[in-house]
Amino acid sequence: GIQVEQSPPDLILQEGANSTLRCNFSDSVNNLQWFHQNPWGQLINLFYIPSGTKQNGRLSATTVATERYSLLYISSSQTTDSGVYFCAVAENSGYALNFGKGTSLLVTP
Amino acid sequence: DSGVTQTPKHLITATGQRVTLRCSPRSGDLSVYWYQQSLDQGLQFLIQYYNGEERAKGNILERFSAQQFPDLHSELNLSSLELGDSALYFCASSDRDRGVHTQYFGPGTRLTVL
Repeated sequence: GIQVEQSPPDLILQEGANSTLRCNFSDSVNNLQWFHQNPWGQLINLFYIPSGTKQNGRLSATTVATERYSLLYISSSQTTDSGVYFCAVAENSGYALNFGKGTSLLVTP
Repeated sequence: DSGVTQTPKHLITATGQRVTLRCSPRSGDLSVYWYQQSLDQGLQFLIQYYNGEERAKGNILERFSAQQFPDLHSELNLSSLELGDSALYFCASSDRDRGVHTQYFGPGTRLTVL
């Protein structure tokens, strides 16, 4: 099956700093989503982005499908950004999302 | 709020027991997916239903079963529970059968098997 690798595995930032999270995948995809799992366990959908670039407030994402990677940018980070960020993809012929292991982000005051 | 609801939020039970987790998809969504998140396996796909029919199976154990009812809500049944079944179970829904679509996740059911 398709492999999804996320980096870095852990990240500690001070409030106000910027960061870039990376997701590499091993095959063509028809679905790529970024999620934020908050400390209460809830999975929050950030972006649906199988290709191209999108922005939502302080967050933006870019997927280069031909090179099989996606980037999530967090600018001016806040303590509420803490949690785990997951990248998930579905293969071209597939139904379900395959998740990476996530990037654990801690933003300190 | 994603619009996907799951009940119960927490469930504590004993080994060997059977439990049922319930999911109501977003209004208008025909697809329901079940995922399991455990410490050792991470987030993995279990099973998908579309408009009442099973469409895809992932790493779902034979002790687990699911169904989608005519009103489109879905239930995941877990039987002969083992300690290793303790996990967070998510339901997701989308408006398509497969392919290019966004999956919206519910708040999850946290299952603890003692």
